[in-house]
Amino acid sequence: EVRLMESGGGLAQPGGSLRLSCAASGFTFSASAMNWVRQAPGEGLEWVSVISASGDKIYYADSVKGRFTISRDNSESTLYLHMDSLRVEDTAVYYCAKDVEWLRRFDIWGQGTAVAVS
Amino acid sequence: DIQMTQSPSSLSASVGERVTITCRASEDIKHYLNWYQQKPGAAPKLLIYAASTLQSGVPSRFSGSGSGTHFTLTITTLQPEDFATYYCQQCYSVPPPTFGGGTKVEIK
Repeated sequence: EVRLMESGGGLAQPGGSLRLSCAASGFTFSASAMNWVRQAPGEGLEWVSVISASGDKIYYADSVKGRFTISRDNSESTLYLHMDSLRVEDTAVYYCAKDVEWLRRFDIWGQGTAVAVS
Repeated sequence: DIQMTQSPSSLSASVGERVTITCRASEDIKHYLNWYQQKPGAAPKLLIYAASTLQSGVPSRFSGSGSGTHFTLTITTLQPEDFATYYCQQCYSVPPPTFGGGTKVEIK
């Protein structure tokens, strides 16, 4: 079964840091680009970041550029999002999502992990 | 960034009804448009990609059409499990891929 499972969410203070993880199984993780997408309470979806299969191409949304760092460990089939300088407006559920054809669609999503900055 | 606008933002419908949701792009995105379904407390699920291609396992009562700046998602015969929020997403000018604001389909 193809599966993504996020962890690492929780409560952080403004200016603080958190690291999210996303464990993948059931597909060839090392062959897939991966994304983070977030959803603020009661709001819509916002793309956050993408990393290529090998990790050599990375992009961020302007709202998180310079504060968040995406990375991956293909040997552990795990995706990460390190979040620094957290702001109240970063409060959201964070989803990892498997990429198809470089940002053409997201076909598998994790269940999400909640981050609250207060 | 390309802006995506969905309408309506919410609608009420009965089981068995036909439902149509519209998504407009701020510029031409060819056929690079996806639709996702999200139920409360759950992750989004890919329904349709490339404007009209049904994702594997998605019931055939869902269909998508459109190109350029105007797209529609149609549910031909609404089922109880279809009550959810639907999002369109452009994937033409990326990054960033951008989502519409969502359309909540509620029970009448």
